[in-house]
Amino acid sequence: DAGVIQSPRHEVTEMGQEVTLRCKPISGHDYLFWYRQTMMRGLELLIYFNNNVPIDDSGMPEDRFSAKMPNASFSTLKIQPSEPRDSAVYFCASSRSSYRHEQFFGPGTRLTVL
Amino acid sequence: KNEVEQSPQNLTAQEGEFITINCSYSVGISALHWLQQHPGGGIVSLFMLSSGKKKHGRLIATINIQEKHSSLHITASHPRDSAVYICAVNPGNYGGSQGNLIFGKGTKLSVKP
Repeated sequence: DAGVIQSPRHEVTEMGQEVTLRCKPISGHDYLFWYRQTMMRGLELLIYFNNNVPIDDSGMPEDRFSAKMPNASFSTLKIQPSEPRDSAVYFCASSRSSYRHEQFFGPGTRLTVL
Repeated sequence: KNEVEQSPQNLTAQEGEFITINCSYSVGISALHWLQQHPGGGIVSLFMLSSGKKKHGRLIATINIQEKHSSLHITASHPRDSAVYICAVNPGNYGGSQGNLIFGKGTKLSVKP
């Protein structure tokens, strides 16, 4: 398996633009997680899905952020409109069913909002 | 106060030294994870444990549920072990936990040759 795939790897955009980050989890994994990493706050959970259904989105910063998982092999995280404070590395991770399985992380998307 | 605290924040060691990184947490958990983040940014899961001890090569992870504390040990450290080590927990009780992780701020390890 290729592991968790994220695209793009790097994104530079201007304030106010829409940004869409994409994730393909490992086949057979039922859980998908979106995390954000910044120098100030470290790693934080944004939202996670189980069997394509959002379970906990309490970490989504505000209405500008939205996430979808239309099927078991694809998820998106959208920011509209983007702001400079959204600059961070966004990681997607997946795990097999059951919370007690290790999570496999994608390579991350480094987002810079100018 | 953060729910997951790691110490030290930064650690410099000489090649061959025995290294210990500590993690304390204040919430009930069902599992604790140790992750490794290399300078390139990629994150790899090293261990997931809910009791006792696990060993993989030169790495050993222990957890004491009663004391809400875990340690990650590296024996015979090597420059390639230089990375950020992150402790994370699944909050909740064993029978009905959540899938998400709460992270510590990480420990930056630098091993000098």
